[in-house]
Amino acid sequence: SYVLTQPPSVSVAPGQTARITCGGNNIGSVHWYQQRPGQAPVLVINNDSDRPSGIPERFSGSKSGNTATLTISRVETGDEADYYCQVWDSRSDHYVFGPGTKVTVL
Amino acid sequence: EVQLVESGGGLVKPGGSLRLSCAASGLTFSTYSMNWVRQAPGKGLEWVSSISSTSSSIYYADSVKGRFTISRDNAKNSLYLQMNSLRADDTAVYYCARVSSTIVGDMWGQGTLVTVFS
Repeated sequence: SYVLTQPPSVSVAPGQTARITCGGNNIGSVHWYQQRPGQAPVLVINNDSDRPSGIPERFSGSKSGNTATLTISRVETGDEADYYCQVWDSRSDHYVFGPGTKVTVL
Repeated sequence: EVQLVESGGGLVKPGGSLRLSCAASGLTFSTYSMNWVRQAPGKGLEWVSSISSTSSSIYYADSVKGRFTISRDNAKNSLYLQMNSLRADDTAVYYCARVSSTIVGDMWGQGTLVTVFS
């Protein structure tokens, strides 16, 4: 089965930049979700780098080779959450999530 | 405003059954594929099952195949998940989500908790 890798945790000071990576073999279009404690996930980036309506411009996405990156600029305390990357595995017709990265704002 | 509201969660013993529902409003439900996604306590997100807009295509995660059945009623704007032969490791919050292309969910419900314990 297809596997995505993410760092378990990222720590960042307020106002600084957080970068979360997501790796996978021949990785396709990557989507990113933010999940605050006790809440449902929210889509923050789709198709590698598109930002849905209502998502702050501080959130951006990119991809190079087999690694996608979610970048959160000018981090705020409200950005403290778990972040998951996700792809569609066409070989198995399965959706696949990464293990998640916990972002801590120091 | 798009709303997805799950219901039907609760406590069940191992080997038991439960049927989850997801009521959709504020969208043309019949035109969207839908997903069920679950999250065990303290764990990450796990895709469970997908159903296309006309129910012609259905997919399951290996962990639930043969035990869970996804279905929908477009006339009632509702999505369902019939869960049989439940196990302790099925304990999780179950979310319904609206599919958009390869995106698991561009809109999510708030989830319903299923607890399997003896």
